Amino acid sequence: GQQVMQIPQYQHVQEGEDFTTYCNSSTTLSNIQWYKQRPGGHPVFLIQLVKSGEVKKQKRLTFQFGEAKKNSSLHITATQTTDVGTYFCAGRPNTGNQFYFGTGTSLTVIP
Amino acid sequence: KAGVTQTPRYLIKTRGQQVTLSCSPISGHRSVSWYQQTPGQGLQFLFEYFSETQRNKGNFPGRFSGRQFSNSRSEMNVSTLELGDSALYLCASSLIRQGGNTEAFFGQGTRLTVV
Repeated sequence: GQQVMQIPQYQHVQEGEDFTTYCNSSTTLSNIQWYKQRPGGHPVFLIQLVKSGEVKKQKRLTFQFGEAKKNSSLHITATQTTDVGTYFCAGRPNTGNQFYFGTGTSLTVIP
Repeated sequence: KAGVTQTPRYLIKTRGQQVTLSCSPISGHRSVSWYQQTPGQGLQFLFEYFSETQRNKGNFPGRFSGRQFSNSRSEMNVSTLELGDSALYLCASSLIRQGGNTEAFFGQGTRLTVV
């Protein structure tokens, strides 16, 4: 069945260091979304990528969608303590309208 | 615009009991999805409802069921509760546009503890 995997599962970084989480799908995706869940909170939508090879930026966050539309990445430059949380990707296959959430990457930023 | 509202926020039940959780989506959103979140398991998709019909279903046993009403409000029910059902249950609503669902707006969740 459809699977969306994320690596790493956990990441500890020193404040100011960069962070990257990778999302891989077993099938080609129509689009992919990214969400952030703060500790004790609920997932909040960050961005959606649709086009092959698309790159989008939100301040210190850079999102990429792979050329084959089977993988994606989220890169945070110069992490801050406010970046703490779990980052999820959610991919929608070419067929169907359901989004499959990745396993998530939990980011800890050490001040 | 009010967000997604889930009730109750916290619930403690005994093994073998059944429970009903409620979700009120954002006004105008007709798609409602339910997820189970446990440490280490991420977000596990339960089911999606659209216009009172179950449109998608995850790999959960028949003890997990749901429904959607004409005003798009949704409920999920878990019967014969097991200890392993302890989790945060999240509801998310979204719009349906050409090409599929738009972004999902999540509620605060219902924290279910089975003892």
